[in-house]
Amino acid sequence: TQLLEQSPQFLSIQEGENLTVYCNSSSVFSSLQWYRQEPGEGPVLLVTVVTGGEVKKLKRLTFQFGDARKDSSLHITAAQPGDTGLYLCAGWMTTDSWGKLQFGAGTQVVVTP
Amino acid sequence: EAGVAQSPRYKIIEKRQSVAFWCNPISGHATLYWYQQILGQGPKLLIQFQNNGVVDDSQLPKDRFSAERLKGVDSTLKIQPAKLEDSAVYLCASSFIVGGELFFGEGSRLTVL
Repeated sequence: TQLLEQSPQFLSIQEGENLTVYCNSSSVFSSLQWYRQEPGEGPVLLVTVVTGGEVKKLKRLTFQFGDARKDSSLHITAAQPGDTGLYLCAGWMTTDSWGKLQFGAGTQVVVTP
Repeated sequence: EAGVAQSPRYKIIEKRQSVAFWCNPISGHATLYWYQQILGQGPKLLIQFQNNGVVDDSQLPKDRFSAERLKGVDSTLKIQPAKLEDSAVYLCASSFIVGGELFFGEGSRLTVL
């Protein structure tokens, strides 16, 4: 059972369209991260959100952390073929002395020219 | 700055054989993680080290998997004996602080026949 549920699992769109990926959980996280993974490579961090309600923008990507710090969304405006990849959300559960990062199953995004 | 190094990149073995994967994290990163990523799924944490001590191995199948991080630098993950369901990519990651960015290696792809 995944602690973090991502939807949709797969998304195929045309270049120039917009898309949104959702990440939901019943658990509260200290912070939430989004990674992108390309074939044959390890995931690469896109953003970390820490505060409930926080919105961060990275060029055409907009990330939002839910008010209760249980969910997040990633919105891509005017998608380009270079945005193709596996998008993974990951939640940090931390204490004073240690922390654990758990990943969702990922959303495979394909942007065709 | 050198990234996380992993070897081998690919390994094919038959079931019941053994295999070992090696990881050298980014210099100065105290925390080292081993994740298992099965095709179509997100990474699953197997074991997490803080320096040379284990802080989480709750999802490590200890009857067949073992890992060590001697001297708090590089690490080895071993599987003995391997099962068909162990076919996956084994990702090593490191971070400077808990709760921070994870830097991943390219992964070691294991196929068990």
